[in-house]
Amino acid sequence: EAGVTQFPSHSVIEKGQTVTLRCDPISGHDNLYWYRRVMGKEIKFLLHFVKESKQDESGMPNNRFLAERTGGTYSTLKVQPAELEDSGVYFCASSQEFGSDEQFFGPGTRLTVL
Amino acid sequence: KQEVTQIPAALSVPEGENLVLNCSFTDSAIYNLQWFRQDPGKGLTSLLLIQSSQREQTSGRLNASLDKSSGRSTLYIAASQPGDSATYLCAAGGTSYGKLTFGQGTILTVHP
Repeated sequence: EAGVTQFPSHSVIEKGQTVTLRCDPISGHDNLYWYRRVMGKEIKFLLHFVKESKQDESGMPNNRFLAERTGGTYSTLKVQPAELEDSGVYFCASSQEFGSDEQFFGPGTRLTVL
Repeated sequence: KQEVTQIPAALSVPEGENLVLNCSFTDSAIYNLQWFRQDPGKGLTSLLLIQSSQREQTSGRLNASLDKSSGRSTLYIAASQPGDSATYLCAAGGTSYGKLTFGQGTILTVHP
């Protein structure tokens, strides 16, 4: 069984540009989460999808971040326009049930904004 | 607001030692607590998941305990090996749809 995959593994962009990160969850997992770790800080929650619906987006830092999960399969996280403070590692996770279920993480996308 | 703290921040031990990593959380209303391992440049590997109704979970040389009332969890690693060297993260699963709140992690080095 394939795990959670993320693309790209690394992205280097200029301030003001747009970047789109992609996450493919484990097949059959309705729950998809985005997290990120910025330099020197702990991993923090961004948002949670149940199928194609946003269940909790309380961690999204501002309106420059847009997450979608069309059709309830893969998800994209777009940052537009990117700022220097957006640099970090963006993780995606999925789980079968929400609440008490184990979350499985992808390898992350390292984003560097210059 | 949930806050998770891990102590120590770093730990270096000789091979073969038994060791304990500590995790504390401020809000005892959690669904679960999950321990992860992260190797440099890699993603998070789930080690153990303890549901809020459980006291401990075991997998091989790993044993994790949970005391909700005191807001603490420990990860016990028996007979440590150099391959155990990694960053260990604990994360509390909140009542808000399962989002995880992470600690800063403990960097473990096991030297031969």
